This record gives sequence, structure tokens and C-alpha cells, in this order.
Amino acid sequence: RKEVEQDPGPFNVPEGATVAFNCTYSNSASQSFFWYRQDCRKEPKLLMSVYSSGNEDGRFTAQLNRASQYISLLIRDSKLSDSATYLCVVNEGGGGYALNFGKGTSLLVTP
Amino acid sequence: ETGVTQSPTHLIKTRGQQVTLRCSSQSGHNTVSWYQQALGQGPQFIFQYYREEENGRGNFPPRFSGLQFPNYSSELNVNALELDDSALYLCASSFGGQHSYNEQFFGPGTRLTVL
Repeated sequence: RKEVEQDPGPFNVPEGATVAFNCTYSNSASQSFFWYRQDCRKEPKLLMSVYSSGNEDGRFTAQLNRASQYISLLIRDSKLSDSATYLCVVNEGGGGYALNFGKGTSLLVTP
Repeated sequence: ETGVTQSPTHLIKTRGQQVTLRCSSQSGHNTVSWYQQALGQGPQFIFQYYREEENGRGNFPPRFSGLQFPNYSSELNVNALELDDSALYLCASSFGGQHSYNEQFFGPGTRLTVL
């Protein structure tokens, strides 16, 4: 199975800051892309799907560059409640259409 | 709408024993996937079930097996437990055909400790 790579962090930022997470994937045949958020000792929760045209949900913006095989997540105006691990996820198809997860990037937003 | 549920929440076993974990899929979903998450790692795909048949498998040995029932709920069975099997086991449900890239939604997981 091909890899999904993320900067593990941790990213420590003050409240109100803008933070960007980057992710690369190696399988050019990958078809769908997601960001999940995981709180300590909890299950991953879908944050947003990522589309080629880019998409935005409130303070969160996701971008996909298929040519560079690169995915990003931008969080604006960080809140304390944004502290979590952010998982970059790729569905490569074949072999069960499984989700292929990066190891996650840890974010700590401080007062 | 009922979310994904898993049981039990925690489990302690000893090496060599067998364990069965259970998952009920989200209402309206017909596909269940199982993942293993070791500490500090992202989840790793074990296998997926669609229409009661295995629809793909990750790099896990045959002692990891599963079932899906007509109501789309699922079981994960692990035989001959090893210390390295200690992990959070996550079930995810989704809706789609056999070749679906749809979003998957996770249950709270079962934390298995093997002593």
C-alpha cells in the first residue's frame, strides 16, 4: 500500500493564529481525499472531504493539487477547541476502497 | 439517525486467547471497514465487508477474520492473540457499492490490551 505522509508536528500556536497542514500521497490513481480530526483516545471524525476545486467550511479550507499529489488544510482564527491530531486520508481504490491514513499532525492551540 | 456503535469499549486478554469485537453500522449504511490503530500511528486497514462478503483486505494475517450480517452489522475475530495486537480497533461504516470512494464514519473503537 502506498504512503500518505504528513509533518507529525507538534504545531503549537496561539489562539487566533492561522495554521497550515500539508500532506503528500504517492499513488497517483487515488480518487478521494479527506481530512479527519482525532481527539486524544477518541475515534477519527470526518472534518471535510477535499475536492480538486478546493473547498471551505467556515474557518477551514482544504486544497488538492493532483499534479503534485499534495493536499493541504488551512485553519484560520484558531480556537482552543481546535487542539487535536489532524489526519490526512486518501482512498486509493482497489483492495476494498480502504482509507489510507497518514500518521497525523498534532496541533496544540494555546491561550 | 443512529451512529456507528462498537462493543466492548475495553478488553483485556492474554497471549494466545481469541477475541471477538462487534460493530453496528450507521443507519442507511451497507459497508463496514475495520482498522487497527496502534499508539502514535494512523489507523491501518484490516478488511472491508460489503453484502456479507470480504471486499478487500489489508496486510494482516489470516488469524484476523470477520463477518458481516444481513443487518450490515459486523464482527472482527482475532485468534492466537499476540502482544502486538494491543491497539484501538475501529469500525467504520459507509454507503456505497462494491467500488465506493464514499466517506467513512467511525465508531468509538474497542481498546484491546493483550498481556
